[in-house]
Amino acid sequence: GAGVSQSPRYKVAKRGQDVALRCDPISGHVSLFWYQQALGQGPEFLTYFQNEAQLDKSGLPSDRFFAERPEGSVSTLKIQRTQQEDSAVYLCASSETGPSLNTEAFFGQGTRLTVV
Amino acid sequence: GQQVMQIPQYQHVQEGEDFTTYCNSSTTLSNIQWYKQRPGGHPVFLIQLVKSGEVKKQKRLTFQFGEAKKNSSLHITATQTTDVGTYFCAGGFNNNDMRFGAGTRLTVKP
Repeated sequence: GAGVSQSPRYKVAKRGQDVALRCDPISGHVSLFWYQQALGQGPEFLTYFQNEAQLDKSGLPSDRFFAERPEGSVSTLKIQRTQQEDSAVYLCASSETGPSLNTEAFFGQGTRLTVV
Repeated sequence: GQQVMQIPQYQHVQEGEDFTTYCNSSTTLSNIQWYKQRPGGHPVFLIQLVKSGEVKKQKRLTFQFGEAKKNSSLHITATQTTDVGTYFCAGGFNNNDMRFGAGTRLTVKP
């Protein structure tokens, strides 16, 4: 596709429910990032993939959060037993190579998760 | 840890006034990127700085990267209402991670 695509755009989950958020990066992009953005805040790093390898998951707030990118393209962020503090916009970004190799990141529109 | 601090959190200016936002990292960055996010939108890439002391300009926007590659600034000359949004810096670290600052929300009064 022409850009990074995320689905769903909006998700309302009941507390305790599991959710799965999908990210389709730009075709051929090596790096993929997940960020969590609370209202009025900057994107907070969650995790980073280079191809299928998850190189950094230090930003995942708890073991309820899990991300995968099994074939090095589409990625899924899964949140188990959602809690109200998980409510945020989840942003996915991809870049052609790693950021230290000086390529810009392209963001998807995000998934707005509301836990009620 | 790998963090990027950004100030100020908010800036409200009269149209025509200048605006500056600053970013700082405790560790040396491999590069720094700047993004703009309009209300309800997603971050959109503006520019990337790589070299120590680098200065780049885009029309009324001037971007600087510090000599030690630990700080950066974005300066907008003579703001316009179209400049409204939140400006984020994002520091690139040698392990390929990219961390965002908290952003500076700019509002412009016509």
